[in-house]
Amino acid sequence: SQTIHQWPATLVQPVGSPLSLECTVEGTSNPNLYWYRQAAGRGLQLLFYSVGIGQISSEVPQNLSASRPQDRQFILSSKKLLLSDSGFYLCAWKGGNTQYFGPGTRLTVL
Amino acid sequence: AQSVTQLGSHVSVSEGALVLLRCNYSSSVPPYLFWYVQYPNQGLQLLLKYTTGATLVKGINGFEAEFKKSETSFHLTKPSAHMSDAAEYFCAVSPSGNTGKLIFGQGTTLQVKP
Repeated sequence: SQTIHQWPATLVQPVGSPLSLECTVEGTSNPNLYWYRQAAGRGLQLLFYSVGIGQISSEVPQNLSASRPQDRQFILSSKKLLLSDSGFYLCAWKGGNTQYFGPGTRLTVL
Repeated sequence: AQSVTQLGSHVSVSEGALVLLRCNYSSSVPPYLFWYVQYPNQGLQLLLKYTTGATLVKGINGFEAEFKKSETSFHLTKPSAHMSDAAEYFCAVSPSGNTGKLIFGQGTTLQVKP
């Protein structure tokens, strides 16, 4: 069966520090992968998606970036965090016509 | 552009009462429709989905939803609420295409009172 992992589960970072969040999927190959952000009191915002290794599409201009160095690995990064980057970050993979979500990473920028 | 509207950001029901969470969408093509549930500090869990075929879709935990094309709606219902149903619920629509991107509604927080 397929599983999706995200780490870390929680992260507290100072403004201006770098960020790296990792997402990995097991039990499937060449999945579409997605990064979402859920800010407090707001819905889910699609940040990036990838249909294959090295293929990244950005949905919202911001100071975040994404990379897909391996088939089942999706990384969300930032060189300098802003206060507004705080939120709950969710990774998802697409199986058939359905997206399945990871457990999320709670990021607090102070 | 496709969009999803969930009517009511907060819904409160008594335990044992009917749950009705409303979702309307706009789409220029036949959509795929989804309901997800999110418990605090957790990821989203798929409740049910409509792709093709029968318009009444049954999901997990006793939930069901009916796709009504004429009303562009996909409302979520459960006959009898349990305390464990308290969570946030998201309706989503999938535009056509291989990217499989989802467009989410703003979510509805369901409160269940004893």
